[in-house]
Amino acid sequence: EVQLVESGGVLVQPGRSMKLSCAASGFTFSSFPMAWVRQAPTKGLEWVATISTSGGSTYYRDSVKGRFTISRDNAKSTLYLQMDSLRSEDTATYYCTTSYVWGQGVMVTVSS
Amino acid sequence: DIVLTQAPLSVSVTPGESASISCRSSKSLLSSKGITSLYWYLQRPGKSPQLLIYQMSNLASGVPDRFSSSGSETDFTLKISKVETEDVGVYYCGHRLEYPLTFGSGTKLEIK
Repeated sequence: EVQLVESGGVLVQPGRSMKLSCAASGFTFSSFPMAWVRQAPTKGLEWVATISTSGGSTYYRDSVKGRFTISRDNAKSTLYLQMDSLRSEDTATYYCTTSYVWGQGVMVTVSS
Repeated sequence: DIVLTQAPLSVSVTPGESASISCRSSKSLLSSKGITSLYWYLQRPGKSPQLLIYQMSNLASGVPDRFSSSGSETDFTLKISKVETEDVGVYYCGHRLEYPLTFGSGTKLEIK
């Protein structure tokens, strides 16, 4: 079964860091570019970052550039999102996705 | 950034009838490779988004053929024939033409 399972979400204070993981199974992970998409409570979908198949190219939305880092480990079929200097506006459910397959999402709450 | 404008904001449909959702792009989504980079997603209540249509008119795996999509380079329509109760949720259009990736604001489909 094709599956993406996110983990790592939790309550964190503004300015602190958090790392999300996304474990892939059921497909050849290394063949697909991967992305993180987030959804603030009661809001729509917002693209966060994308990484190429090899990890050699990464792309970010302006509001997270310099604070978030997307990476992947193809040997472990795992995608990551390192989030630093977190802000209240980063509060959202974060989905990992190939665009064709989506994870169940992980909630990140940034609050003091 | 490419702006995707969806209409209507919400639609209420009697089971068995059809529904149409519009998505208008601020820029042509036709790539240099001749592919129209327009995608449709459905997010059922409390669930992750799922891909319905890719590259403007291609049905994703497992999606019933009641769903169809067509359009030009900037104007697109998702049509749902013979609406069923399981079609309830929010429909988003999105593009993958360039970064940043963006999504429409969503259209909520309800059953009468």
